[in-house]
Amino acid sequence: GAVVSQHPSRVICKSGTSVKIECRSLDFQATTMFWYRQFPKKSLMLMATSNEGSKATYEQGVEKDKFLINHASLTLSTLTVTSAHPEDSSFYICSARARTGVDHIYFGEGSWLTVV
Amino acid sequence: QKEVEQNSGPLSVPEGAIASLNCTYSDRGSQSFFWYRQYSGKSPELIMFIYSNGDKEDGRFTAQLNKASQYVSLLIRDSQPSDSATYLCAVNPGYGGATNKLIFGTGTLLAVQP
Repeated sequence: GAVVSQHPSRVICKSGTSVKIECRSLDFQATTMFWYRQFPKKSLMLMATSNEGSKATYEQGVEKDKFLINHASLTLSTLTVTSAHPEDSSFYICSARARTGVDHIYFGEGSWLTVV
Repeated sequence: QKEVEQNSGPLSVPEGAIASLNCTYSDRGSQSFFWYRQYSGKSPELIMFIYSNGDKEDGRFTAQLNKASQYVSLLIRDSQPSDSATYLCAVNPGYGGATNKLIFGTGTLLAVQP
């Protein structure tokens, strides 16, 4: 099956710094990738939709200047959490849609971010 | 009203029983529906998807869709302790293959007792 890889799986950063999370589709080209955030015991909340070669579309309430998304190629999207604060600590998950074929979405393994 | 609603549970069933998980959605125009399983601390994994009214079976899993009632369910037959996880219902509000934007419910925690 299709594989989506995220890196890093866990990261701890200091408050005020920035951290980048990568999402790669390993065996298919992903024209669209999605970034979710999940707080403990809560559901996945869509943050933004990332389209290759264009600006990301952010969901209401998500600060685009804080959560920078770049989708520079058909296999890579990155999420940068800028000026991180402890309340940004969460599980960040990306997913990718295959360019053709099956109409469902493949999830990455997720990245745990802890801001101290 | 939440777009996708699920009972948070926990739903406790004995090993070997049928687990029934339910989900309702608010957007009547929704076209495709997904069930994901998520173990604690892990990413969701797709179990099944369904587009048409009726039942769709895959092994021990059966998805049921009733668009008139805006209701989708997942039945797990012969439940095993390894099935214990949170089950997330997700709805694609657009036509299949169009937006691919998934709206998730809060999930139902299933506990299968040995």
